Formats: sequence, structure tokens, C-alpha cells
Amino acid sequence: DTEVTQTPKHLVMGMTNKKSLKCEQHMGHRAMYWYKQKAKKPPELMFVYSYEKLSINESVPSRFSPECPNSSLLNLHLHALQPEDSALYLCASSLHTGTNYNEQFFGPGTRLTVL
Amino acid sequence: DQQVKQNSPSLSVQEGRISILNCDYTNSMFDYFLWYKKYPAEGPTFLISISSIKDKNEDGRFTVFLNKSAKHLSLHIVPSQPGDSAVYFCAASAFASNTGKLIFGQGTTLQVKP
Repeated sequence: DTEVTQTPKHLVMGMTNKKSLKCEQHMGHRAMYWYKQKAKKPPELMFVYSYEKLSINESVPSRFSPECPNSSLLNLHLHALQPEDSALYLCASSLHTGTNYNEQFFGPGTRLTVL
Repeated sequence: DQQVKQNSPSLSVQEGRISILNCDYTNSMFDYFLWYKKYPAEGPTFLISISSIKDKNEDGRFTVFLNKSAKHLSLHIVPSQPGDSAVYFCAASAFASNTGKLIFGQGTTLQVKP
């Protein structure tokens, strides 16, 4: 199994809603990442988990809350989002963070629209 | 401060010809470079990578060249095919950071015309 899966594929939510994005990989990777991508822009790193511990938070607002329940799963909990948070949210994984030849494999993304 | 730059937003080539996509970087700590391809509404797909100890890496139709003194890398696609039409992102990382963090360029949209 060499893929990263993400659910849901599309999500529309109001500014008062609470929702979660899910990501799963079964490649034995110990590093997992959340990125945000706006149209015609490169992916922007949000969070990095290394061996199930949060290792990087790129000054992301607290309305985004990541969680790594185990080495295969990564969640992103969303609460009180703003319309400008509408974007493609990408999950990625890699063997771990500390070596070269450490390609990140991306999921298909969740297209989030905040009304 | 953009540490990884792709100065050409778009490139159009004829099917069968060579496509050359360029990328420049400013941080001398970067020692590993990757190219990703992205179709609309999909996640980026890893294409090819190169370590700073090499100056060339080849995989089928794709070759990446690295010129460390110029802080420049390029992706060559030969021969180009219509299915190669996508956005190509260059990315860089620094092993010493031990973060796995990738810094992406802005992307180049490649169109291969039949």
C-alpha cells in the first residue's frame, strides 16, 4: 500500500461548525504533515508530526487543531473557521523527518469551503 | 523572503520536444531537492529528487540537474507528452534542520501541445 488517503474529499462548513479532516497511511511512515494550498500557490506547511508527537506548528491559528492518534492516522480538527480558510488541505507522510531521501507522499486533499 | 523560486509561471512545448523547468534557491543549507507534479484538485505527486552530493539524477524521461555553485536546479522531460501537462513544483529541504520541512517554489504550469 503506497498511498495516503484523505477524507472527506470535499467539505462545506459554516463559521460556527466543528468538523474534522482525516488522513491515513499504511506505509510505515513515522512523519506526517498537514499543508494548506490556495489556488495558484504552493503548499504551505501547517504542522509536522514525528513519531506521533507534534514537532512543528507553523504559527497556525488555534482554530486548527491537529491530532495524531497513532502512527497511521492524522486528524485536523476545525472550529470557528473563517471564509479565508477555504483552501485545499493536503496531508503527506514520509519515512521520518531526519534524513535525506525522505520524499513526502501526498494525499489527494480535502477541498474545504467555509461559508 | 522566497528561498525557492521558480521564475517562469508557465511553459508551453510541443509534444516530443524537451521541457526544461528551472528552479533557483538562496539558502546554502538546502541539501536535498525534489520535484513534484500536480494536477488540478489532486495532491502533488513525487517525481524525482536529487541530493546535493550529486549533480544529476535520471529516472526514465525525467532528469534533474543540480548546479550548487549557481544554486540552480532544472528538470528535463524528454520526450514531453500531453499527459505531462500539469503544475510542477520544485522543493528543497535542509538535512541539518531534522524537521522534514520542505520549502516549495511557486510552481510552473507546463502545457504540452499535441
